[in-house]
Amino acid sequence: QKEVEQDPGPLSVPEGAIVSLNCTYSNSAFQYFMWYRQYSRKGPELLMYTYSSGNKEDGRFTAQVDKSSKYISLFIRDSQPSDSATYLCAMSPSGTYKYIFGTGTRLKVLA
Amino acid sequence: EAGVTQSPTHLIKTRGQQATLRCSPISGHTSVYWYQQALGLGLQFLLWYDEGEERNRGNFPPRFSGRQFPNYSSELNVNALELEDSALYLCASSLEAGDSYGYTFGSGTRLTVV
Repeated sequence: QKEVEQDPGPLSVPEGAIVSLNCTYSNSAFQYFMWYRQYSRKGPELLMYTYSSGNKEDGRFTAQVDKSSKYISLFIRDSQPSDSATYLCAMSPSGTYKYIFGTGTRLKVLA
Repeated sequence: EAGVTQSPTHLIKTRGQQATLRCSPISGHTSVYWYQQALGLGLQFLLWYDEGEERNRGNFPPRFSGRQFPNYSSELNVNALELEDSALYLCASSLEAGDSYGYTFGSGTRLTVV
């Protein structure tokens, strides 16, 4: 079993839909949770990070962490075709740097 | 502000050869991280350099090595290339050593081993 599991997709949604992207993990030591967006032929760019449990909102994006269920989510409201990309979750234990990445979910937002 | 830059963009090598990949971090960033992104495997941590020293390495064989120069740029060397080394190699940098608040990645070097 991988430490971090992420559905590879692709996930296709119509423009304007609410998108839910998810990761599950097995290591209870993870404290830092991040979401990256990666466009084709580009490196990942940091979208959101959260520490421990709870929600964090930034514009159309909301990151949610449920440590009791070992489950994190990224919600995208009013999705746009420009949101079409691969979304990677990443996690790190407290006080360390070594991120464990999910394999990424490909998202397609159809105009 | 210039981001993390990597060169070359693409590299084609023959099995058994050596490959050298280069990375320039964001100005002022002292930590450089290397990741391998192989198809279907996600990003795998390779190496971390800070202040010219190798701080940690991932679960990769010794033929993956590198160094960091006094100007904080870095080089990744892969010796005795194997077909399965074909992947996107990503470099990232951070302002603080072992920064837990996210990296800034470059666009990567696509290495193809034939």
